[in-house]
Amino acid sequence: GESVGLHLPTLSVQEGDNSIINCAYSNSASDYFIWYKQESGKGPQFIIDIRSNMDKRQGQRVTVLLNKTVKHLSLQIAATQPGDSAVYFCAEIVGGSNYKLTFGKGTLLTVNP
Amino acid sequence: GAVVSQHPSWVICKSGTSVKIECRSLDFQATTMFWYRQFPKQSLMLMATSNEGSKATYEQGVEKDKFLINHASLTLSTLTVTSAHPEDSSFYICSARGQVYGYTFGSGTRLTVV
Repeated sequence: GESVGLHLPTLSVQEGDNSIINCAYSNSASDYFIWYKQESGKGPQFIIDIRSNMDKRQGQRVTVLLNKTVKHLSLQIAATQPGDSAVYFCAEIVGGSNYKLTFGKGTLLTVNP
Repeated sequence: GAVVSQHPSWVICKSGTSVKIECRSLDFQATTMFWYRQFPKQSLMLMATSNEGSKATYEQGVEKDKFLINHASLTLSTLTVTSAHPEDSSFYICSARGQVYGYTFGSGTRLTVV
């Protein structure tokens, strides 16, 4: 049978639509969060970051929202393009832990032209 | 911007042999380097953290005698997979943390053990 744990959550959108990718984190002591994009066979690429004393940060076409109450992060991509198709990971850092960067499960975003 | 060079990008080795993967920060000094392993359709799993000139700190469940990490300088860390077996086949990724640019990732190494 199929093991759910081995498959990434997926999100499929039409080109030009806005995408929202969600991430739940577990450590309430995490004080810094980063979103990464990973294309097949490559290393993660930095998209945007946010510190725990903020609840929103905007970049070019991307916005990260942080809700510490429910330990939830989201990445919003405006006007999604085919080149945005990739796996997106949130990562968290707990200060004082030698700054270890721990990754969430990831979401596969597919943009249909 | 910061660049991390990781070599080789792919390697095929016979079961029982050892493989060394290099990670270099090209234009900055990395105070800390991290090694990750990633299986298909899964997330990056942190294997170990290394600081220049000191022993690496391994995550729970990662065999330090099998995955040897050397961080001899502020710009170079190596991961050696010793006595590799097919179950060690994976995508290995390094990350270097500098003072200015934060975390920069290498392009990864695809290891296939046959």
